[in-house]
Amino acid sequence: GENVEQHPSTLSVQEGDSAVIKCTYSDSASNYFPWYKQELGKGPQLIIDIRSNVGEKKDQRIAVTLNKTAKHFSLHITETQPEDSAVYFCAAITHNAGNMLTFGGGTRLMVKP
Amino acid sequence: DADVTQTPRNRITKTGKRIMLECSQTKGHDRMYWYRQDPGLGLRLIYYSFDVKDINKGEISDGYSVSRQAQAKFSLSLESAIPNQTALYFCATSDPGTGNTGELFFGEGSRLTVL
Repeated sequence: GENVEQHPSTLSVQEGDSAVIKCTYSDSASNYFPWYKQELGKGPQLIIDIRSNVGEKKDQRIAVTLNKTAKHFSLHITETQPEDSAVYFCAAITHNAGNMLTFGGGTRLMVKP
Repeated sequence: DADVTQTPRNRITKTGKRIMLECSQTKGHDRMYWYRQDPGLGLRLIYYSFDVKDINKGEISDGYSVSRQAQAKFSLSLESAIPNQTALYFCATSDPGTGNTGELFFGEGSRLTVL
């Protein structure tokens, strides 16, 4: 089955700096890679996703890149703000194959004012 | 009101007790899931259900059972709780219709402590 590794487990940045979270996956058939954000006391919420036919996707201050050859994908947050502080999860799935999402171990991002 | 509601939000119990965590949703989704969250281990799938008559084991189903009482209700039971079942439990729903990504919509979690 799929295995997703996520690094780092904790990340502290100064407000205004950029943050990068990286994930690797094992199943070359995986074709959909979402990122979820979990705020304190809340359930995870989808913030951005990317399909395997695309190398990069942006949405305002967040972007995700995918390298299918190396089987890794990354979340980039620019101009970080205190409200970006949360736990972020990457995930991978072989869509339309009846498989379930496999999540990475999570990254706790702390943005210092 | 939340679209996916979990009860209880917090529960402390003793080893050997039977515990039920309940989930109800107003999103009208057919698919429902139970996940467990442990520090450093991410979210691991316990059970999932694609409709009322469909129940499937996930990655870590041992020690757990589920019941899909209706489209909107999916409960998780621990028949005899043990300390290593102490965790944060999440219910989620999805609607993988044509063109959808199958986005998961999570409840706010149920924190279970087994002493």
